[in-house]
Formats: sequence, structure tokens, C-alpha cells
Amino acid sequence: SQQGEEDPQALSIQEGENATMNCSYKTSINNLQWYRQNSGRGLVHLILIRSNEREKHSGRLRVTLDTSKKSSSLLITASRAADTASYFCATDHFYGNKLVFGAGTILRVKS
Amino acid sequence: EAGVAQSPRYKIIEKRQSVAFWCNPISGHATLYWYQQILGQGPKLLIQFQNNGVVDDSQLPKDRFSAERLKGVDSTLKIQPAKLEDSAVYLCASSPGQPGGETQYFGPGTRLLVL
Repeated sequence: SQQGEEDPQALSIQEGENATMNCSYKTSINNLQWYRQNSGRGLVHLILIRSNEREKHSGRLRVTLDTSKKSSSLLITASRAADTASYFCATDHFYGNKLVFGAGTILRVKS
Repeated sequence: EAGVAQSPRYKIIEKRQSVAFWCNPISGHATLYWYQQILGQGPKLLIQFQNNGVVDDSQLPKDRFSAERLKGVDSTLKIQPAKLEDSAVYLCASSPGQPGGETQYFGPGTRLLVL
């Protein structure tokens, strides 16, 4: 079974609001990554956070990692309609760049 | 920089037929991955190559799936014979090949429907 589990499964917000997605995993990690997938397209890498890091920022994205709770969160601030997509967390457990993806959160941003 | 190329983009076949997908990674990327993404789920790794050697194929159904990367560049994934449950998007990804965790770059995927 896949390691990562995202919460919520689906999220609908208004443009300009913040969106928060959570990811939990079961065993220790080397790093955790977030990817975005627009409908019918491939995945795009958003951000990578290593196990010794607690927080990273990239533009309107903020990712936190709590290894004691085996969880991560992705915050998108000031959301836009173009942020509408599925968001996946992926965990790298064995330093071999082998990623295990969760089932994803479907985000809909209404304009 | 050109991205990961995949073909075909769509394929419809009947069960028990065979099908092949092609992937050309980003130039210079040593690691190539094939994923299967069933509707409503996240991608599942099928096979990982480092240059032309297999690093991990633990989740590849070897009785019907095969993959090769002969010259360490492009790769093909084959299904023979196909089953209804193979209907999915097949994603190819590549990365430079540095140890310790790195970004993977994905192609647009091939959407397979098995009837």
C-alpha cells in the first residue's frame, strides 16, 4: 500500500483564500516532496524538504515537516484559479530516489 | 531545456492485446522511472533505471510487463497481454541521478484504455 496519505481528499476555496493540505506517512524518510498535477497532465515538482529541515518556502508555497509526528503540510497562500489541481506528497525512504506517492488532494479554487 | 517526451499520448486496445510505450528523458539524466497511475490514485512506481541498469522493479508485474533502456537513454515499457485492470496513465520521469534525494521531472503520460 502507498505510504503517504493526504488530507483532505478534496478542498474547495475562493480565490484569495489560503489552502492547507496535510500528508502523513508511516516510516522514516530521507526527504518529502510535493507535486502538482493539472487535469490530464504530468506531475510538476513544487518543493522538496529534507528530514533535517522543518520549514521551506517557495513563492506562495510554505511546507512544514514534523518528523516526530510523521507529517507534513503544504500551505498555498492567496490562492488563484490557476492553482486548481491535484496535489500529491511523495516520500523518499531509502536514499535511492524511490518515491512513494499518496492518493492526493484535489484542490478547486473558485473565481 | 526539452522536457520528458512520451508517446503515444493515448491508446485504446482490447484485452489480451499487447501495447508499448516510449519515453525519452531529459538529456543527461541518468535515472529513468516508469509509474502507473490509476484513476483517483497517486502514481505507483513500476521500475527505476540507473543508466541502462535496473535499480528497482519490485512492483512490476513481470508476468505481463517488461521494460528496457538499452543505451541508457530512451526507454520502452511493454504490456503483453493486457488486462482490463491495466487501464491507467503511464508516466515516465527522469532525474539527474544524484544520490540523497532529488526532483523528478515527469512527462505528459500515456493514457491507456483496455476494453
